[in-house]
Amino acid sequence: KAGVTQTPRYLIKTRGQQVTLSCSPISGHRSVSWYQQTPGQGLQFLFEYFSETQRNKGNFPGRFSGRQFSNSRSEMNVSTLELGDSALYLCASSPGQGGTANEQFFGPGTRLTVL
Amino acid sequence: GENVEQHPSTLSVQEGDSAVIKCTYSDSASNYFPWYKQELGKGPQLIIDIRSNVGEKKDQRIAVTLNKTAKHFSLHITETQPEDSAVYFCAASKGWNYGQNFVFGPGTRLSVLP
Repeated sequence: KAGVTQTPRYLIKTRGQQVTLSCSPISGHRSVSWYQQTPGQGLQFLFEYFSETQRNKGNFPGRFSGRQFSNSRSEMNVSTLELGDSALYLCASSPGQGGTANEQFFGPGTRLTVL
Repeated sequence: GENVEQHPSTLSVQEGDSAVIKCTYSDSASNYFPWYKQELGKGPQLIIDIRSNVGEKKDQRIAVTLNKTAKHFSLHITETQPEDSAVYFCAASKGWNYGQNFVFGPGTRLSVLP
């Protein structure tokens, strides 16, 4: 079974621009979560989607948004980019059903650099 | 909210020795505790997990123990090998119905010296 895929793997943007990152979960998984990873703050939860609905949101400004499609693929968008948004953005998928509903499997991440 | 602490931040061991990483959590409602291994340039990889109804779980050279009363859990790696060198993260979660907002520890950089 293929793992979680994220595109693009690397991205360079300038301040003020916006960016869209994409995530395809493991086949059959219905939950997608997004995390930001930085050396200073570690792994921080952004939001989670299940069956196209946002179930939880972390403590990030409204510039960070996301959505999930009917095939469980998800996108996250960051508008008005700031230098501090430079980070590795990780997507994780979970089955969302059964006894292992909450096991999370991560993708390779998208490395975003804001200049 | 939940807070997860992790120690040590760095750990160096000789090949063949054991390594132990410890985490504590603050929310007694947390009931799922996974451990992840992250190698350079890769996303975190789930290596073992434990649920609150179990005290210990083992998978070959890796084991995890959970003490719900003290609110701490530990990762044990025996017979360490150079390929075990990576950053290890612990996490805590309250379970599926509460959403997938895992809280992660700050990580432990493990170096296995040949």
